[in-house]
Amino acid sequence: DGGITQSPKYLFRKEGQNVTLSCEQNLNHDAMYWYRQDPGQGLRLIYYSQIVNDFQKGDIAEGYSVSREKKESFPLTVTSAQKNPTAFYLCASSIGGYGGETQYFGPGTRLLVL
Amino acid sequence: KQEVTQIPAALSVPEGENLVLNCSFTDSAIYNLQWFRQDPGKGLTSLLLIQSSQREQTSGRLNASLDKSSGRSTLYIAASQPGDSATYLCAVIARDMRFGAGTRLTVKP
Repeated sequence: DGGITQSPKYLFRKEGQNVTLSCEQNLNHDAMYWYRQDPGQGLRLIYYSQIVNDFQKGDIAEGYSVSREKKESFPLTVTSAQKNPTAFYLCASSIGGYGGETQYFGPGTRLLVL
Repeated sequence: KQEVTQIPAALSVPEGENLVLNCSFTDSAIYNLQWFRQDPGKGLTSLLLIQSSQREQTSGRLNASLDKSSGRSTLYIAASQPGDSATYLCAVIARDMRFGAGTRLTVKP
């Protein structure tokens, strides 16, 4: 089955710790995205990548980092510089680059701070 | 900057009712508008995609309309069922994708 997988489902972060969220897709999509969702708010874009080895900041990139070494994978690192990381994180992908394309979403990772 | 608003934030209806969810956006220069369903703690499932040249799309009991000039879209759900309980999000697709905060729907048996 083609789709997007995210792991882990739940992740706990200690103070000052960096954590990495995994996102993998087997849809052969070029573009991938990371969103943050807070209660009562819409999704906000953290980073996106239109092609391997290239990525762009979204609206709320501070405190986050990404890499895109393979077409299938787009991991997100939440660094210690992100002071309020508790949220639901969603990864998505689309066939082409940003603009006019529908996106397909993974099941999400909930990040909690200890 | 595109702003997307969904009203109401929450809605509770008895089973069998027909209902309308609203989505408004500030910039009418869009490519598409998409409606998603999100169950608690889950990802987003696409329901309907309306291209900017279309006025509406239908899938089963769902009908979505788009009026670009007034910056509005509606999602009509006919004969609601308890299984329809979820949060419904609209997203406007232009140069980027902007989401509303969603309407949390509860359908009571």
